Amino acid sequence: EVQLVQSGAEVKKPGESLKISCKGSGYSFTSYWIGWVRQMPGKGLEWMGIIYPGDSDTRYSPSFQGQVTISADKSISTAYLQWSSLKASDTAMYYCARHLGMATISVLTNWGQGTLVTVSS
Amino acid sequence: EIVLTQSPGTLSLSPGERATLSCRASQSVTSSYLAWYQQKPGQAPRLLIYGASTRATGIPDRFSGSGSGTDFTLTISRLEPEDFAVYYCQQYGSSPRTFGQGTKVEIK
Repeated sequence: EVQLVQSGAEVKKPGESLKISCKGSGYSFTSYWIGWVRQMPGKGLEWMGIIYPGDSDTRYSPSFQGQVTISADKSISTAYLQWSSLKASDTAMYYCARHLGMATISVLTNWGQGTLVTVSS
Repeated sequence: EIVLTQSPGTLSLSPGERATLSCRASQSVTSSYLAWYQQKPGQAPRLLIYGASTRATGIPDRFSGSGSGTDFTLTISRLEPEDFAVYYCQQYGSSPRTFGQGTKVEIK
């Protein structure tokens, strides 16, 4: 069974750094792109970017380029989303999800449970 | 960037009724790379439809998708109690991938 398990909820202060994780299991982790999606409180879904764990090829939405870093450690089947300096506006639920197919162009089919990030002074 | 506009914002219907949700793109969606997701409160989204009309694994046949170019539709033929949720369309043929703002299907 394909599973993506995300790290737990985080409460941080503005200016702090953070790295959240998404561990894949039940499939060949290096063969499928993983995407990250933001959902701000009470709002819709925003596509942040994707990574191919096989070679760490990464694509970002222009809205998130330079604001976050997406990475992966294929040795432990884990993808990451990190911030170097959090802002209150980063408060949101963050989901990771795996592509349905192995191609760059694909939908998000298996979703993690989400990681709630709260940034408040 | 392709902007997706969903309508209506909220759809108030009764169980057993037919739901028709619209998703309009600001420019043509490449090769009908259009998907629909369902999200219930407190849950992650779930893939329903991809390629504009292909149901994902395990999705009941009361859900159907249609359309091409810039106009797409998700139809739920007979609403079941578990279908009341928010629905999002997404185009995945162009970068950046983009989502619509969502349509909430609520119980009338």
